[in-house]
Amino acid sequence: DTGVSQNPRHKITKRGQNVTFRCDPISEHNRLYWYRQTLGQGPEFLTYFQNEAQLEKSRLLSDRFSAERPKGSFSTLEIQRTEQGDSAMYLCATRVRETQYFGPGTRLLVL
Amino acid sequence: QKEVEQNSGPLSVPEGAIASLNCTYSDRGSQSFFWYRQYSGKSPELIMSIYSNGDKEDGRFTAQLNKASQYVSLLIRDSQPSDSATYLCAVTVAGDSWGKLQFGAGTQVVVTP
Repeated sequence: DTGVSQNPRHKITKRGQNVTFRCDPISEHNRLYWYRQTLGQGPEFLTYFQNEAQLEKSRLLSDRFSAERPKGSFSTLEIQRTEQGDSAMYLCATRVRETQYFGPGTRLLVL
Repeated sequence: QKEVEQNSGPLSVPEGAIASLNCTYSDRGSQSFFWYRQYSGKSPELIMSIYSNGDKEDGRFTAQLNKASQYVSLLIRDSQPSDSATYLCAVTVAGDSWGKLQFGAGTQVVVTP
């Protein structure tokens, strides 16, 4: 257990609906990452927060995606107007020195 | 060309044998290298990190790094059925201030009793 929690663990939604995922890192970890992993692939970087500042966003993060980290604590990732191609595992990670530790992930299925 | 390449496998290894996993990367300036283990349906779990050329051992695991050849490997000695998983190689992006990781697609390892 890395101490990083994510909710929900599973989400099934219909195409066109909005979904929101939450990540709760260990309180003193100020660097937080979101990744997306599709079947048979490694995780792909989506976005990075240092405290409450979103410092980098991948080109994968289309206009339908938004992430926040209010007060530098928990983080949310919202997907608007979901598409079937959004089906994936969404992973949150926090960084200690050089190493990233992953939460359990949220598995999204868009029907 | 993918930036981090791994053989997809599956790599079938008899119980008690050595599993050898390879990873090549294209970004010559990458500084930090990681091996993660991922069981089916679970999130990646860190096994090893390595930052300088040579070998690094931790229990049954040995990571080897050769920056000149842009190559990092993982050896698993005395393989156990519980080692059956997908092993992900990850590297940092040269010049990236934020430490994001680039992952390979993973090598599936199957340890047979």
